[in-house]
Amino acid sequence: QKEVEQNSGPLSVPEGAIASLNCTYSDRGSQSFFWYRQYSGKSPELIMSIYSNGDKEDGRFTAQLNKASQYVSLLIRDSQPSDSATYLCAVNWAGGFKTIFGAGTRLFVKA
Amino acid sequence: NAGVTQTPKFQVLKTGQSMTLQCAQDMNHNSMYWYRQDPGMGLRLIYYSASEGTTDKGEVPNGYNVSRLNKREFSLRLESAAPSQTSVYFCASSQQGDYEQYFGPGTRLTVT
Repeated sequence: QKEVEQNSGPLSVPEGAIASLNCTYSDRGSQSFFWYRQYSGKSPELIMSIYSNGDKEDGRFTAQLNKASQYVSLLIRDSQPSDSATYLCAVNWAGGFKTIFGAGTRLFVKA
Repeated sequence: NAGVTQTPKFQVLKTGQSMTLQCAQDMNHNSMYWYRQDPGMGLRLIYYSASEGTTDKGEVPNGYNVSRLNKREFSLRLESAAPSQTSVYFCASSQQGDYEQYFGPGTRLTVT
């Protein structure tokens, strides 16, 4: 059974620090990887997608993928209180529509 | 451009009642999805529609039915609601072959 694992947190970081969120997945056939942000009581919002090994940067966000280790991470630089949310890791397996979501990591950024 | 819309936002049902959750998207996406989200658990796929005219079961389809009415609309029906179906339901859409999903605001359903 395909699984996506995340530390539930909460992860607490001071304002201006780097927040590091991690995710592992069970199946080497995975092709597409996503990070979603979900504020309390709101719907998930796509913030990053990554498809190949290495780093992908978008503003203050960097996604890192290591397929050999079955590991994907999200770094948030210069963390702001507005980044406080739950971050969901999602993995899609080749050729399928069934994206598997992790349970999410709660992030608190302290002002 | 409203993106993905869902109705209703909140609903309370008694056990055994039926209802339909509505979802529509205006992004011209081919694929649409229904998820449920329970505390401490990730989003779980109930049903999806890869393209207009097709629907398939996801991880937790029991107790639900779906209809892909046209390219824009994808509805989820609970025929006989049970307390175990108390959850937040999200509809999402994506371009076919691109699995970046865009979510609606959700429906909070309570079954008593």
